[in-house]
Amino acid sequence: DAGITQSPRHKVTETGTPVTLRCHQTENHRYMYWYRQDPGHGLRLIHYSYGVKDTDKGEVSDGYSVSRSKTEDFLLTLESATSSQTSVYFCAISEGRLAGDGEQFFGPGTRLTVL
Amino acid sequence: ILNVEQSPQSLHVQEGDSTNFTCSFPSSNFYALHWYRWETAKSPEALFVMTLNGDEKKKGRISATLNTKEGYSYLYIKGSQPEDSATYLCAFRGTSYGKLTFGQGTILTVHP
Repeated sequence: DAGITQSPRHKVTETGTPVTLRCHQTENHRYMYWYRQDPGHGLRLIHYSYGVKDTDKGEVSDGYSVSRSKTEDFLLTLESATSSQTSVYFCAISEGRLAGDGEQFFGPGTRLTVL
Repeated sequence: ILNVEQSPQSLHVQEGDSTNFTCSFPSSNFYALHWYRWETAKSPEALFVMTLNGDEKKKGRISATLNTKEGYSYLYIKGSQPEDSATYLCAFRGTSYGKLTFGQGTILTVHP
């Protein structure tokens, strides 16, 4: 299995509070991604990173920010959580010349509930 | 937003049946098409990454074909087994959009 961990694995929080999810990899892969998974929507890309300090938005980036200060860590922050951000969040990594070149390896997921 | 459609949404088959499902994607600016298998309570795992029109890939009883000119890919499972029960996702990468766009998946249930 690819060395990807996510923390926390489960979190319950209240509306308006900040939340940070962490993705850690030991594979030294260049690309890292954050997705959310919701019924009827499949996997939707929130943000991705193509290197340290290099990030870009995905299709559902509103309300989320990311940071990547080290190759191995990619943080997803909800500045002020809302109930619509209740979801399962997956981190993924990939190698390859360009994003989307190589297969993506997924972390175990974080279940976030915003009350 | 790119349109990646999978059909059917769900499928129930008996053990031993062969089955196939479809992924439709934009036929312009194609770069790659990925297939993933996602078992309940686990994470998605890659099956195939396909890049060339006419590509055929095979892994055990699972195979996939790719038609980039008309914008579709088929995934086939020969002799389905209960352990094949999972959601099968396809994901499209276009040259002008460097990220993957996933379809909603096909949920396969294989009954013993």
